[in-house]
Amino acid sequence: QTVVTQEPSLTVSPGGTVTLTCASSTGPVTRNYFPNWFQQKPGQAPRTLIYSTNKKHSWTPARFSGSVLGGKAALTLSGVQPEDEAEYYCVLYYGGARVVFGGGTKLTVL
Amino acid sequence: QVHLVQSGGGVVQPGGSLRLSCTASGFRLPDYSMHWVRQAPGKGLEWVAAIWFPANNEDYGEPVKGRFTLSRDNSDNTLYLQMNSLRVDDTAMYYCARDISRLEIDYWGQGTLVAVSS
Repeated sequence: QTVVTQEPSLTVSPGGTVTLTCASSTGPVTRNYFPNWFQQKPGQAPRTLIYSTNKKHSWTPARFSGSVLGGKAALTLSGVQPEDEAEYYCVLYYGGARVVFGGGTKLTVL
Repeated sequence: QVHLVQSGGGVVQPGGSLRLSCTASGFRLPDYSMHWVRQAPGKGLEWVAAIWFPANNEDYGEPVKGRFTLSRDNSDNTLYLQMNSLRVDDTAMYYCARDISRLEIDYWGQGTLVAVSS
């Protein structure tokens, strides 16, 4: 069974920088896994921030960026704002019927 | 403007069936891949199923394979998820989501709640 692992929780100060990661139990994550990143606030549907490793949608704030770093997909928030406090999920594509979400990272801005 | 409006959730007994709907506006459903994703109460996101553009092939996650079926009504621009033999652990908020290409998800529906309970 394929497992995608994210940090369960992270804390960052307002204005700071934080990197969330997304690792695969099958080995290093590459662009060929088409990582997406989603933000979800309580009681809301997820909102897509990043797709295909590092591409942004029109609504994605500039302070969010995606990359592959050290064999993991990564989401970096630079100049964190209080409204960035949320749960963040990654998803990886393994081909065919294998699309696997990570367990999510609860980001606290404190 | 792209919108995905969901309906069809509710309370059902174990072994029962439900059909979820995801009605699209602002784009033609057959021109995109579409996903269903669910979230059990207090838990993370779980991929359920997808219909892929342009081949129109369907894929299902292991927990729902053989019980859930995707279909599409192009005249109504609506995607359906037929859920049969429902189990208590199918209880979740179900979301539909649009995919621009191969796992390039952009828009999400508002979600619809399915509760399986006796």
